[in-house]
Amino acid sequence: GAGVSQTPSNKVTEKGKYVELRCDPISGHTALYWYRQSLGQGPEFLIYFQGTGAADDSGLPNDRFFAVRPEGSVSTLKIQRTERGDSAVYLCASSLIQGSLFFGQGTRLTVV
Amino acid sequence: QKEVEQDPGPLSVPEGAIVSLNCTYSNSAFQYFMWYRQYSRKGPELLMYTYSSGNKEDGRFTAQVDKSSKYISLFIRDSQPSDSATYLCAMRRTNAGKSTFGDGTTLTVKP
Repeated sequence: GAGVSQTPSNKVTEKGKYVELRCDPISGHTALYWYRQSLGQGPEFLIYFQGTGAADDSGLPNDRFFAVRPEGSVSTLKIQRTERGDSAVYLCASSLIQGSLFFGQGTRLTVV
Repeated sequence: QKEVEQDPGPLSVPEGAIVSLNCTYSNSAFQYFMWYRQYSRKGPELLMYTYSSGNKEDGRFTAQVDKSSKYISLFIRDSQPSDSATYLCAMRRTNAGKSTFGDGTTLTVKP
């Protein structure tokens, strides 16, 4: 597609459940990023992939969060044992060069 | 204290006004400075991308970086109602993938 695609656009889950959020980057973009944005705040860095490997995962808040990019294109962010505090918009971005991020529309996660 | 500080506003101006948006930062290692625009319920969209100190102009938008003061600005000339959005500054170190964002300034341009 022309832009970064994220699915689902909305996800409501119960506390304690497992969720997967998917990101399909712009074709040819080698770098992929996950950010989390809470209401009234700027995006908060979670993890950055260069190709298939996580080049920087320093923003993952704890071991309940994990992300993969097995073939260097599509990425999945996985959250185990979800908590109400995980509710936010999860943004994916891709880039050809560092810094020029192209963001998707985000997945709005609500944990009830 | 956050690494990047941005006045949240809200900022309301009449159509045609010049708008000034600003961020301050504390990490002197930041070398790349970006401005993003975010409409409600959309992802951020890159507006301006600058390296180190200086000015950069693109149409109605001008970005300024003053590394000595750790202060960056975005100016919007001849503002339009379609400019109404949240403006996010972001910055990163050389060879780093991670960008650090401000919390955004909400702008409304009234016709």
